[in-house]
Amino acid sequence: QKEVEQNSGPLSVPEGAIASLNCTYSDRGSQSFFWYRQYSGKSPELIMSIYSNGDKEDGRFTAQLNKASQYVSLLIRDSQPSDSATYLCAVITSNTGKLIFGQGTTLQVKP
Amino acid sequence: DAGITQSPRHKVTETGTPVTLRCHQTENHRYMYWYRQDPGHGLRLIHYSYGVKDTDKGEVSDGYSVSRSKTEDFLLTLESATSSQTSVYFCAIRDGLAREQFFGPGTRLTVL
Repeated sequence: QKEVEQNSGPLSVPEGAIASLNCTYSDRGSQSFFWYRQYSGKSPELIMSIYSNGDKEDGRFTAQLNKASQYVSLLIRDSQPSDSATYLCAVITSNTGKLIFGQGTTLQVKP
Repeated sequence: DAGITQSPRHKVTETGTPVTLRCHQTENHRYMYWYRQDPGHGLRLIHYSYGVKDTDKGEVSDGYSVSRSKTEDFLLTLESATSSQTSVYFCAIRDGLAREQFFGPGTRLTVL
């Protein structure tokens, strides 16, 4: 079992819709969770961090964390073509303290 | 952008040659990291540093060495490059009091 798992996609949504990206992790003791956005040929850019159960909102982005289910998600409201990118879920594991990345989900927002 | 630069941005080299990649930060952050990104594997940690002259291994450290003689610079060396080290290399930094890591622009390395 991979430590951080994401569906590779592509996830295709129409412009203006809500995009929902999901991530599961295996280390139950993990406390810190991050979402990075990576455009093709560019470096990962941190867009959200979440440390407590529940929702955290920042503009059009909402991160959701459920530690009991070992599940973290990212919602993008009013999706725009400029949101088309690969979204990386990352988790700091409790056993190593290292940041472990999922393989990313490719999002395509169609005009 | 976090104040991170990487050099070179692109490099093509031949198998068996030594290669050094440089990461430079202007943020005075304590922690610095080297990752490689490959299709099908995602981002994987090679080495990291938690202070000047303090380094440790990551998940995929074989074939790589690092050095940090100044807070602002973290060097990654491939002593004898192999084709399996063809990849995109990213440096990241983290402030000692925070948990978030911020990435540099990356170096695309091709080993022929």
